[in-house]
Amino acid sequence: DVKVTQSSRYLVKRTGEKVFLECVQDMDHENMFWYRQDPGLGLRLIYFSYDVKMKEKGDIPEGYSVSREKKERFSLILESASTNQTSMYLCASTQGGQETQYFGPGTRLLVL
Amino acid sequence: GENVEQHPSTLSVQEGDSAVIKCTYSDSASNYFPWYKQELGKGPQLIIDIRSNVGEKKDQRIAVTLNKTAKHFSLHITETQPEDSAVYFCAASNANAGKSTFGDGTTLTVKP
Repeated sequence: DVKVTQSSRYLVKRTGEKVFLECVQDMDHENMFWYRQDPGLGLRLIYFSYDVKMKEKGDIPEGYSVSREKKERFSLILESASTNQTSMYLCASTQGGQETQYFGPGTRLLVL
Repeated sequence: GENVEQHPSTLSVQEGDSAVIKCTYSDSASNYFPWYKQELGKGPQLIIDIRSNVGEKKDQRIAVTLNKTAKHFSLHITETQPEDSAVYFCAASNANAGKSTFGDGTTLTVKP
């Protein structure tokens, strides 16, 4: 079974803090994705990566950056957290553009 | 880019009844249409998918239909059970885009 793990289930941070969300997958998948999930807005793509050290902007990249130094690990970085970044963050991985996306359990981030 | 609309946003049925969730997409190049189920506190998980060369696919109580001409696809759940209660997402993708676009989700409640 593919396993995607996220470093934290719940996180509370203060406005202006730098926040790191970590995601690790164990199936040697090439592609990894970060989404945020808000009520009524579905899953919105923040960034994705096709390979190590590669990244592509998704639909809502503003205020975020990512890092992929190793194939199995994809990090989402909030350079200076703001209250409007309070959300559920979901990481996913997939082998190819059309294949099943495997999601982690999510990190619920609260920015005060 | 691709745009996916999903309806209804909430759906309540009695146990044993059928449930239908509908999605439309805009990009005629999309050719892979998965459906994900998200239970409380978990990440979305694939429950069924369909590719553009197929009109219908069934897996026990779950079926998906695709109308490429009209650019819409639907999820059908028969003989619903309380454990079917969850948020359901449709998605559309194509190989060139390398990523999926998700609908806004449908919260299904099955009343015992």
